Amino acid sequence: NAGVMQNPRHLVRRRGQEARLRCSPMKGHSHVYWYRQLPEEGLKFMVYLQKENIIDESGMPKERFSAEFPKEGPSILRIQQVVRGDSAAYFCASSPDGYSPLHFGNGTRLTVT
Amino acid sequence: QQQVKQSPQSLIVQKGGISIINCAYENTAFDYFPWYQQFPGKGPALLIAIRPDVSEKKEGRFTISFNKSAKQFSLHIMDSQPGDSATYFCAASKGGTASKLTFGTGTRLQVTL
Repeated sequence: NAGVMQNPRHLVRRRGQEARLRCSPMKGHSHVYWYRQLPEEGLKFMVYLQKENIIDESGMPKERFSAEFPKEGPSILRIQQVVRGDSAAYFCASSPDGYSPLHFGNGTRLTVT
Repeated sequence: QQQVKQSPQSLIVQKGGISIINCAYENTAFDYFPWYQQFPGKGPALLIAIRPDVSEKKEGRFTISFNKSAKQFSLHIMDSQPGDSATYFCAASKGGTASKLTFGTGTRLQVTL
């Protein structure tokens, strides 16, 4: 009965590199949400996806950030050409129907050096 | 900007005492108000939630009080225990969904012996 699985748990990238964060939702959940948590701050919504569709990307930065949730496999949050300001904890959450409460993973902590 | 304001930023309570965390919101369209508990290195976990058709909800030692006219809600932790030491986030969402959440900035609770 696995929960939301995120990997890697920790990711270190140098400025200008690409970061790929993966999220496998709970079994039976087809709705995925990505949130970002900066130090000493609350979580900020980034994007909401259903299988093969982006439903709401109103919280995504306009450049360098993209997300996908393919028919097969995990959801991927991709950050291109990372900068120090991208250093944060990125949390994935899932829901069975887009209405029920979210279940969060343990996050990926991205550090940009 | 949809906001949820949370206070205090940090709280120290003696074992057995009552912990109280407050949140205020601006958007009257919000209709779902959860509280999440987060331990270091972990993702947020749903603790308790309320909808605005009730003024109070209790689950064990945790109670949400909701004041619709004041646009405020609070979390009360009775008989606080050292194991309750964590960061607590209030949140809000609208449209009947419990999924796309706007989070407060968090309260770091420490329960001392």
